[in-house]
Amino acid sequence: GQQVMQIPQYQHVQEGEDFTTYCNSSTTLSNIQWYKQRPGGHPVFLIQLVKSGEVKKQKRLTFQFGEAKKNSSLHITATQTTDVGTYFCAANYGGATNKLIFGTGTLLAVQP
Amino acid sequence: GAGVSQSPSNKVTEKGKDVELRCDPISGHTALYWYRQSLGQGLEFLIYFQGNSAPDKSGLPSDRFSAERTGGSVSTLTIQRTQQEDSAVYLCASSLARPYEQYFGPGTRLTVT
Repeated sequence: GQQVMQIPQYQHVQEGEDFTTYCNSSTTLSNIQWYKQRPGGHPVFLIQLVKSGEVKKQKRLTFQFGEAKKNSSLHITATQTTDVGTYFCAANYGGATNKLIFGTGTLLAVQP
Repeated sequence: GAGVSQSPSNKVTEKGKDVELRCDPISGHTALYWYRQSLGQGLEFLIYFQGNSAPDKSGLPSDRFSAERTGGSVSTLTIQRTQQEDSAVYLCASSLARPYEQYFGPGTRLTVT
């Protein structure tokens, strides 16, 4: 079936360091979304990428969609303690259904 | 406006009992999704409703799980003869038609003893 691999599973950084999480699919995606889940909270939408090679920025966050639309990444520059949480990619394969297949998530811990 | 609401927020039940979990989506959202999240794990897709179309039930783990959506709004997820492995947080999300962002509710934490 469709699977979305996300690495790393866990990342611990010092405040001010950069952070990147990667998402990979074995098949081509229609689009990909990214969500953040704070500890004890529910996932909150960050962004959606649709076009091949697309790059979007939100302040210190940079999102990329691969040329082949099979992988994506989220990069955070100069992490802050407020960045703590689990980051999930969510893949949409298009077709008749709009269900999202969520990646396994990357838990980010930021030490002040 | 109001977001997605779910009830109850917590449910403790004995093994073998049936449970019903409720989701009230954002008004006007035609799509509704159910997910399951075990402790420290990712989100497991369960079922997806879109308007009047037949639901995508491909993620339901067994025939003990069922869901319905009445009047295109409120949805109920029913788990029959609960097992301990059903213990998890059940999240509901809603969205406008494809392929828009999903808005999640706070979840129902189900504990089967």
